Amino acid sequence: AQSVSQHNHHVILSEAASLELGCNYSYGGTVNLFWYVQYPGQHLQLLLKYFSGDPLVKGIKGFEAEFIKSKFSFNLRKPSVQWSDTAEYFCAVNAPSGGGADGLTFGKGTHLIIQP
Amino acid sequence: NAGVMQNPRHLVRRRGQEARLRCSPMKGHSHVYWYRQLPEEGLKFMVYLQKENIIDESGMPKERFSAEFPKEGPSILRIQQVVRGDSAAYFCASSPSGGGTEAFFGQGTRLTVV
Repeated sequence: AQSVSQHNHHVILSEAASLELGCNYSYGGTVNLFWYVQYPGQHLQLLLKYFSGDPLVKGIKGFEAEFIKSKFSFNLRKPSVQWSDTAEYFCAVNAPSGGGADGLTFGKGTHLIIQP
Repeated sequence: NAGVMQNPRHLVRRRGQEARLRCSPMKGHSHVYWYRQLPEEGLKFMVYLQKENIIDESGMPKERFSAEFPKEGPSILRIQQVVRGDSAAYFCASSPSGGGTEAFFGQGTRLTVV
């Protein structure tokens, strides 16, 4: 079974600071990787995803993530955060074939607060 | 194109009552997933359904919980004889196909058991 670990449960940054949120997963086979964001009072929205190909993935709102297979990591980055990035961020993984549930396995989330 | 619709948004039930949560997937989506989010926890997979079939219910508690996705109408997550520990946010997601394709989430139903 897969598991996902997000290192920081709460992160507080000032506007214009750079952001990196850690995500590690445990699963020995091929995986699909996702980052979702949940703004206050809203549903989860997909920020970006990795299925295959270029391990550096660019998503919406200036976010990117890098898949490092040897480290089982998929860290989320943004060079300069804005106050509107305040939200809960979830890393998720699933195994597209043979490895387990077709549903997503989520990390516990990181609550990001951006101070103006 | 309406997104995934869940209702009700908020549901309050007394212990021992039944809770019924509804999810209408996006148009053209035949795959539905239910997740539960407990306070201070990430989302936990519960069940994966296609029309009229349960594909994977490995995350569903063995008792009191059931799910269906009939040929017509929304998917229903049913919790019988609710207890305080069932209080959580329940999210539904849909996708056009399985195999790990992108899932779109609804806004969730927040169940409070009093």
